[in-house]
Amino acid sequence: AQSVTQPDIHITVSEGASLELRCNYSYGATPYLFWYVQSPGQGLQLLLKYFSGDTLVQGIKGFEAEFKRSQSSFNLRKPSVHWSDAAEYFCAVGAWTGGFKTIFGAGTRLFVKA
Amino acid sequence: SQTIHQWPATLVQPVGSPLSLECTVEGTSNPNLYWYRQAAGRGLQLLFYSVGIGQISSEVPQNLSASRPQDRQFILSSKKLLLSDSGFYLCAWDQDQDEKLFFGSGTQLSVL
Repeated sequence: AQSVTQPDIHITVSEGASLELRCNYSYGATPYLFWYVQSPGQGLQLLLKYFSGDTLVQGIKGFEAEFKRSQSSFNLRKPSVHWSDAAEYFCAVGAWTGGFKTIFGAGTRLFVKA
Repeated sequence: SQTIHQWPATLVQPVGSPLSLECTVEGTSNPNLYWYRQAAGRGLQLLFYSVGIGQISSEVPQNLSASRPQDRQFILSSKKLLLSDSGFYLCAWDQDQDEKLFFGSGTQLSVL
């Protein structure tokens, strides 16, 4: 069965500092991998998606993620965090199993210090 | 362009009362539709998905039901709410062959 683990419930970084949010997945083959962002009281917005090709994926808002098959990881990074990046970030795994199903991790809440 | 509407944004209901949350999608046809629930401090749990009118799949046994009376309308219901039904409910859609989800703005349901 597919599963997604985000080991950090919350992370605090200073504005301008670099960011890395961890994500590990469990799946028999290479799944589709996603990062979504959720601002308070809002729905989720897709940051980036990976399925095949270059293992370093560029997304919106200056985010990128790197797929590492050997570690079953898909960590999200940003070189310089802005205060507006404070939000909840969800890693997700998806696969075609009689329709496309997406399984989400528990999320990591990002706090940004001025 | 496609848009997804979800209402109401906030709802406070007493235990034992009925529930009806509505979601509609515009600008596309035959979307796949989903209901997720996000409990406080937890991730998203897939409740229901639908690949077509009248076709509903339930992911977890619970006090809720879903219906799809029209192609772009997805309704989440309950006959009698429980305290444990409180949470943030999100409707989402995607299109066949396109794996990314588009989410509504959510409904915060508080059952008291």
